[in-house]
Formats: sequence, structure tokens, C-alpha cells
Amino acid sequence: GENVEQHPSTLSVQEGDSAVIKCTYSDSASNYFPWYKQELGKRPQLIIDIRSNVGEKKDQRIAVTLNKTAKHFSLHITETQPEDSAVYFCAASTGQGNTPLVFGKGTRLSVIA
Amino acid sequence: DGGITQSPKYLFRKEGQNVTLSCEQNLNHDAMYWYRQDPGQGLRLIYYSQIVNDFQKGDIAEGYSVSREKKESFPLTVTSAQKNPTAFYLCASSTQWGGTEAFFGQGTRLTVV
Repeated sequence: GENVEQHPSTLSVQEGDSAVIKCTYSDSASNYFPWYKQELGKRPQLIIDIRSNVGEKKDQRIAVTLNKTAKHFSLHITETQPEDSAVYFCAASTGQGNTPLVFGKGTRLSVIA
Repeated sequence: DGGITQSPKYLFRKEGQNVTLSCEQNLNHDAMYWYRQDPGQGLRLIYYSQIVNDFQKGDIAEGYSVSREKKESFPLTVTSAQKNPTAFYLCASSTQWGGTEAFFGQGTRLTVV
């Protein structure tokens, strides 16, 4: 089945700097790659997603890139703010068959003011 | 607050007792999921259901059971056979299998003493 590896497990950045979180996946049939943000004590919420027919997607300060050949995708947050501090999860899915969303283990991002 | 509700938010049980966690959604979603979250382990899939009266085991199903008698409801029972039941449990739903956004409930923190 699918396996998703996420790095780093913790990340500290100064306010205003950029943060990058990377994930790799094992199933070449995967075609949907969402990113979730989970603030302390709250539910995970989707912040951005990308499908395999697109190499990059941006939404204001957040961007995701996908390299299908290398089977990795990354989350980029620019001009980080203290409210970006949270745990971020990547996930992958084929969208069919018996393969639900498989999540990485998460990255705890701390933005230092 | 969202369209998927878990109850209760906190639950305490004595060791050896079965306990059932509730998950209800009014989003008209076909697919529902149960994940377990432990520190540093990410979101691990317990059970999932693509449609009413059907469900499948996830990666860590041992010691758990589910039912899907109604589209709106997907309760999870943590049985006495689960060796380490203390954890944060998240229920989620999506419009279709795997390849779309999963909406999460606010979670239930189960503590077994």
C-alpha cells in the first residue's frame, strides 16, 4: 500500500522567513496530494491540495509543488507569521480502489516572533 | 462548526470496558473514516467506509469495531482487546473515495485508566 514520509518532524523559523516541508510517497498511482494544518487542540483543516496533472499551485503565501517522477511534493510558506505555528500533515491518495488518504507523520512548525 | 460532529470531546473509561465514540455528519458524504492520532505518529487509519453497510479495516484495526447503518453515522467502539486505547480519535468524511478533501470532526480524547 501507499507509504508517505514527511520531513522534517519539527521546524523553527523566524517570523518573515520561509518554511518548506517535504513529503515523498511510494505509490506511483497516487494522484491527489492535500496538505492539512492542525492548530493546538483543533481539528486538521485543508489548506491546499494538488492533483497529478499540475506541477505547482499557489494560494497567497502558501504553495505546493509536485514532482511525479521523483514521487515527492512540498509545501512552501512564505513570509511566515506567528499564526502559521501548527502541525502540518501531507497526504496522498489514488482516489480509487481501496486506497484512502494516507498521511505523513506531521511537521510541527514554530514561527518565532 | 463544520458539518461533522464527534461526541464526547473528552472520555474517561476504566481498563477492560468497551466504549463507543460517536461520529455524525450532515454533509451528505458517502465516505467516512476513523483515524487515531498519537504524538509523533501522525494520523493512522483505523477503519473506513465507502458506503452504507460496508466498511473496511485500516492499518490499525485490531481492538476496534465499527458500524455504518446510516449514511450520517459511523460510530467507533474501542474494545477491551485494544492494548493501548488512550489516544486522540478523529472522524472524517469526504464526498467520494480518497481523492477529495476530507472534513474532520473536532476529535475525542479518550483516556483509559
